[in-house]
Amino acid sequence: QQQVKQSPQSLIVQKGGISIINCAYENTAFDYFPWYQQFPGKGPALLIAIRPDVSEKKEGRFTISFNKSAKQFSLHIMDSQPGDSATYFCAASKSNYQLIWGAGTKLIIKP
Amino acid sequence: DAGITQSPRHKVTETGTPVTLRCHQTENHRYMYWYRQDPGHGLRLIHYSYGVKDTDKGEVSDGYSVSRSKTEDFLLTLESATSSQTSVYFCAALPGGTGVGGYTFGSGTRLTVV
Repeated sequence: QQQVKQSPQSLIVQKGGISIINCAYENTAFDYFPWYQQFPGKGPALLIAIRPDVSEKKEGRFTISFNKSAKQFSLHIMDSQPGDSATYFCAASKSNYQLIWGAGTKLIIKP
Repeated sequence: DAGITQSPRHKVTETGTPVTLRCHQTENHRYMYWYRQDPGHGLRLIHYSYGVKDTDKGEVSDGYSVSRSKTEDFLLTLESATSSQTSVYFCAALPGGTGVGGYTFGSGTRLTVV
């Protein structure tokens, strides 16, 4: 019940396309859902986060869609650029103090 | 990664030897974490701290211990290194109080146990 399942493991998208990464959780007590971006040789960095009282949050080209009834949330990257190539992690928690992490998605944007 | 420094960045050690990894933060954050990152597993929590001398176990704590004698320093010790502990180790910190906001991560320590 503590798991966060992330898919796909890897994703290749053409420049300008939409990248979509999905996550599913089981624990209905989770109330905080962040996405982190990690470049090679660096630690992850917070990209965008959502709470379950909203169904969507947008920051620039990045959007989180949240479906509470399905216990799923997804990251959409619009107009994907080569600089977006990175590993993306979803996570969930009952607070922000202890995150449960997805396994990660390696995203490659082809120029 | 401003604010979190991990040392060393790379280390090769022999099986059975103790190893200590260091994490230093300059942000005065209350919460600190040690994770290991392995392909296909994402980030797995080893230990965390919620204040000076206050620590607790994560999901993969066996074979690891931690200490936090000052707010800014969080040490991870592998008591007797094994090949299964070959991994990239990340330290992270989080300010307390709000329950929201991003973790600040260090750049990681790549540990190889031979």
